[in-house]
Amino acid sequence: AQSVTQLGSHVSVSEGALVLLRCNYSSSVPPYLFWYVQYPNQGLQLLLKYTTGATLVKGINGFEAEFKKSETSFHLTKPSAHMSDAAEYFCAVTHSGNTPLVFGKGTRLSVIA
Amino acid sequence: KAGVTQTPRYLIKTRGQQVTLSCSPISGHRSVSWYQQTPGQGLQFLFEYFSETQRNKGNFPGRFSGRQFSNSRSEMNVSTLELGDSALYLCASSSQADQWNTEAFFGQGTRLTVV
Repeated sequence: AQSVTQLGSHVSVSEGALVLLRCNYSSSVPPYLFWYVQYPNQGLQLLLKYTTGATLVKGINGFEAEFKKSETSFHLTKPSAHMSDAAEYFCAVTHSGNTPLVFGKGTRLSVIA
Repeated sequence: KAGVTQTPRYLIKTRGQQVTLSCSPISGHRSVSWYQQTPGQGLQFLFEYFSETQRNKGNFPGRFSGRQFSNSRSEMNVSTLELGDSALYLCASSSQADQWNTEAFFGQGTRLTVV
């Protein structure tokens, strides 16, 4: 069975500081990995995904993530936080294109002016 | 191009009632997945339909059911509502059977409150 662990249910950073949201996964087969963002009272928006190929994935809004198989991690980073980045972020895993996503519990990101 | 549309956006029901939620996927999309989001359990998979066939089903009781029509619109039904069914219900649509390899889009969700 697959699972996702997001370390830290709440992360707070200053505006302009590095954003690092941690995600570790468990999968017995090569994973597909995703990061989604959810703003209040909204659905999920895809930030980026890894399926195959380059392990450093660039997404929207300046976010990127690196797939590290040896560490079973897929941490999300952004060099400089903006106030508009305040939201909840979800990491998800699946092992193929037609099986359900398994989500982590989410990390709420606060950005302090 | 219109996004994924879920109706209604908000719903209040009484325990024991039943409810039907609707999801209209992006035009041309044939895959629709449903997820339940609660503060305690997070995001959990309910079911997925592709071309009117249920392809995957999550670990929910039989009170939760769904279907997909020939125009790809999908409905989910919850019978005999319980307080614990209060949640945000999200659907995601994709054009292909290989939904996560292609682009999948989530709707804004239906917020169901059971009182």
